[in-house]
Amino acid sequence: DGGITQSPKYLFRKEGQNVTLSCEQNLNHDAMYWYRQDPGQGLRLIYYSQIVNDFQKGDIAEGYSVSREKKESFPLTVTSAQKNPTAFYLCASSRDRLLTGELFFGEGSRLTVL
Amino acid sequence: AQKVTQAQTEISVVEKEDVTLDCVYETRDTTYYLFWYKQPPSGELVFLIRRNSFDEQNEISGRYSWNFQKSTSSFNFTITASQVVDSAVYFCALSEDGAYSGGSNYKLTFGKGTLLTVNP
Repeated sequence: DGGITQSPKYLFRKEGQNVTLSCEQNLNHDAMYWYRQDPGQGLRLIYYSQIVNDFQKGDIAEGYSVSREKKESFPLTVTSAQKNPTAFYLCASSRDRLLTGELFFGEGSRLTVL
Repeated sequence: AQKVTQAQTEISVVEKEDVTLDCVYETRDTTYYLFWYKQPPSGELVFLIRRNSFDEQNEISGRYSWNFQKSTSSFNFTITASQVVDSAVYFCALSEDGAYSGGSNYKLTFGKGTLLTVNP
C-alpha cells in the first residue's frame, strides 16, 4: 500500500532533550511537509521540502530542524530550543511542488514533554 | 489577518440531519485553490475536495456538496443526511499563487477547523 508512515505514534520526552520524528513516504512524491497541530489552532507549517537536499522554513520553524537526504524520508527534530513542544505533529506529501493538488497525510505523532 | 476563517468551532447534530460547515477566506490573488480535509479521531487528514478560483461550479459527491461563492469569499460544505461516521474535525484550507497576496502556492493555510459530532 502506498502512503506515509510516521513513527513513533506516541512519544514522551523530558525537558531539555532533543527528539526526532520519522516520516517515510513510498508515493514517489517530490514535496514533503511538517505541520504542528494544537487544540483549537488548526495546522501550522513548520518546514517543507520541494526536492531532495533542499528545504524551507514554514511559519513556526524556530526550535525545529529537518533534513531531506532521500526523496522518501523527511525527519523532523524537535530541539530543546522549542519552548512548547507538546503537540500533535503531522507529516504530509504532495505530488506537485506547487500546491494545486491534494496533500497526503500520515497518521501523526503525538509528542508530550514531561 | 486570518486568511481562512471557520467561525464554527463545534457543531452537534442528530443523525440524518443536514449540516453546513462554513468557510470564509481572504486573498488578493486572482489564482488560488481551496480545499476541504476531514480529520477523523484516528488523526490522519483525508482530502475531500479541491476547487480553483476560476471554477465556481458547485459540486456534489454523494451526501457531500460544496458551495463556492467568490462574491462572498466563501466555500461552504454541506453534509446531507449526516451519519455517525461523519463525526470528525473538518478543515478548510487555501493555497495562493502569491502574485498580490505575498502568500505562497508552496503551502496551505488552514482554518482552525470545525468539530462535527453526529449523535445517533
